[in-house]
Amino acid sequence: AQTVTQSQPEMSVQEAETVTLSCTYDTSESNYYLFWYKQPPSRQMILVIRQEAYKQQNATENRFSVNFQKAAKSFSLKISDSQLGDTAMYFCAFMKLKGAQKLVFGQGTRLTINP
Amino acid sequence: NAGVTQTPKFRVLKTGQSMTLLCAQDMNHEYMYWYRQDPGMGLRLIHYSVGEGTTAKGEVPDGYNVSRLKKQNFLLGLESAAPSQTSVYFCASSYAGSTDTQYFGPGTRLTVL
Repeated sequence: AQTVTQSQPEMSVQEAETVTLSCTYDTSESNYYLFWYKQPPSRQMILVIRQEAYKQQNATENRFSVNFQKAAKSFSLKISDSQLGDTAMYFCAFMKLKGAQKLVFGQGTRLTINP
Repeated sequence: NAGVTQTPKFRVLKTGQSMTLLCAQDMNHEYMYWYRQDPGMGLRLIHYSVGEGTTAKGEVPDGYNVSRLKKQNFLLGLESAAPSQTSVYFCASSYAGSTDTQYFGPGTRLTVL
């Protein structure tokens, strides 16, 4: 079974700073997807970024980028020029390629951006 | 296009009562999922469906039943609610055979007293 671990329960940075959220996972699969979801106080789950394991290039989406280290089974999220609206819970998630597309989530990191 | 909707948004039950949560999607997605979210934990999969008339168990299925009689709807039932089922429940849907993102509903906060 796959497991996803986020070792930082809470983080806090000043607006405009850069912050990195950590995620490690355990799997015997060779092909899979990794995701970062954002959950603001509204509770809505919002996809931030995703990474295909077979791609060596790290995914980027505007201010969000990942550092994907397949051998180390590490998948960190970097938020550049952080904004107050980035305040949210962030969840790392894993999905196998085979079968139903079930997501396995980490415990989450609560990120607070301070003015 | 409403996406994924969930009914109700909030509910309080007494121990032993039953209820059904309704999830509806208008995106013609084949796959649908029910997750629960507890404090300090990520979302955990309860049950899922890969098509109309099919259901399967996820990570934490005990105490829940599901039905997918129509492609657009996925129902989650609690036959005899327990305080341990106090949680926020999320429904999600996705296209089959695709690694595209899952689209989540807004969640249902359930409290069992």
